Amino acid sequence: GAVVSQHPSWVICKSGTSVKIECRSLDFQATTMFWYRQFPKQSLMLMATSNEGSKATYEQGVEKDKFLINHASLTLSTLTVTSAHPEDSSFYICSASTGPLDGYTFGSGTRLTVV
Amino acid sequence: QKEVEQDPGPLSVPEGAIVSLNCTYSNSAFQYFMWYRQYSRKGPELLMYTYSSGNKEDGRFTAQVDKSSKYISLFIRDSQPSDSATYLCAIPDSWGKLQFGAGTQVVVTP
Repeated sequence: GAVVSQHPSWVICKSGTSVKIECRSLDFQATTMFWYRQFPKQSLMLMATSNEGSKATYEQGVEKDKFLINHASLTLSTLTVTSAHPEDSSFYICSASTGPLDGYTFGSGTRLTVV
Repeated sequence: QKEVEQDPGPLSVPEGAIVSLNCTYSNSAFQYFMWYRQYSRKGPELLMYTYSSGNKEDGRFTAQVDKSSKYISLFIRDSQPSDSATYLCAIPDSWGKLQFGAGTQVVVTP
């Protein structure tokens, strides 16, 4: 089946630094990739949608300058959390899709802790 | 009002029991319906994917869709402790974005 690889699975960084999270579709070409944030005991909150070669579309309330998304190819999207602060600590998950008919495959998630 | 409503639980059942989960949705245009399982600190894993009204069975899992009532269900037969997880219903909207329910935490006790 479809596999999405997400790295790193866990990262600790100092406040003020930037962190990059990678999301790769291993055995298919993803038309669209999604980035989510999830707080403990809550559902997934969509941050942005990205299509290969075009700018990401951010959900209302998500700072595009803080959460930089790059979707350089059909198999790779990256999320960079810039100038991270403790309140950015969360679980970030990516998802890749070739369209609603084919389903959505999720990465294993990245736990970010900013100290 | 959220587009997809789901009771967050927790739902505790003894091993071997049937787990019954459900979601309601508000948009009658929704066509595809998914159930994901999420273990703690992991990404969601697709369990069932259905289209239109009716039943779909896969092993111990059965998904039901009743479009007239805007109601979807997931049943897990012969539940095992390894089924303890959070179960999320998810429906793609017209933009292709998944609308998630709140997720129901299920605990299967030995």
